Amino acid sequence: QVQLVQSGSELKKPGASVNVSCKASGYTFTAYAINWVRQAPGQGLEWMGWINTNTGKSTYAPGLTGRFVFSVDTSVSTAFLQISSLQAEDTAVYYCAKDVQYDTIRYWNYWGQGTLVTVSS
Amino acid sequence: QSALTQPRSVSGSPGQSVTISCTGTNSNIGDYDYVSWYQQHPGNAPKAVIYDVTKRPPGVPDRFSGSKSGNTASLTISGLQAEDEANYYCCSYAGRYSSFGGGTKLTVL
Repeated sequence: QVQLVQSGSELKKPGASVNVSCKASGYTFTAYAINWVRQAPGQGLEWMGWINTNTGKSTYAPGLTGRFVFSVDTSVSTAFLQISSLQAEDTAVYYCAKDVQYDTIRYWNYWGQGTLVTVSS
Repeated sequence: QSALTQPRSVSGSPGQSVTISCTGTNSNIGDYDYVSWYQQHPGNAPKAVIYDVTKRPPGVPDRFSGSKSGNTASLTISGLQAEDEANYYCCSYAGRYSSFGGGTKLTVL
């Protein structure tokens, strides 16, 4: 069965970096895009962008700064979200989500369990 | 501020129907048929209940239906059940990007 398993919660200090992983199983990893969505505490969902797992090309949401980078390691069917120069407002649950297509955004039929990133001094 | 506008809350009694609206623009909902809706219970990941405006993913009851008119999409839940109480988010494709509505809390009275 399809599963997306994300790495565990992180507590980081302002200015640090964090790497969130999303390991896929149960399907051909390079056949479908991975999207990233975040949710600040008590807030709604925010689409961050997506990565074509076949080509490695990323598209980021307008306004998302260069501190956020998507990547994939196809040898282990894993997508990564790296956030650098962490700020308090980056505190959120970060979700990866599998699209039903590989080359565009359509809808997300499987989601990871979410990774809570807390930024606090 | 979200690109898509949803009511903050709606409510209904068991067995009734409720409709949640999602208003966008000519650049998103009005121009594409890739509108989806996600249900999220507190503490859980979102789950798709409608995609491509009107389609239901496997396993989603036919009590959930979607529609679109102009720049506004709607999610209707008929025969409300207690387990439908959750937050609902619309989402629309907009060229290279996607965006969510601010979310609607559905309360089953």
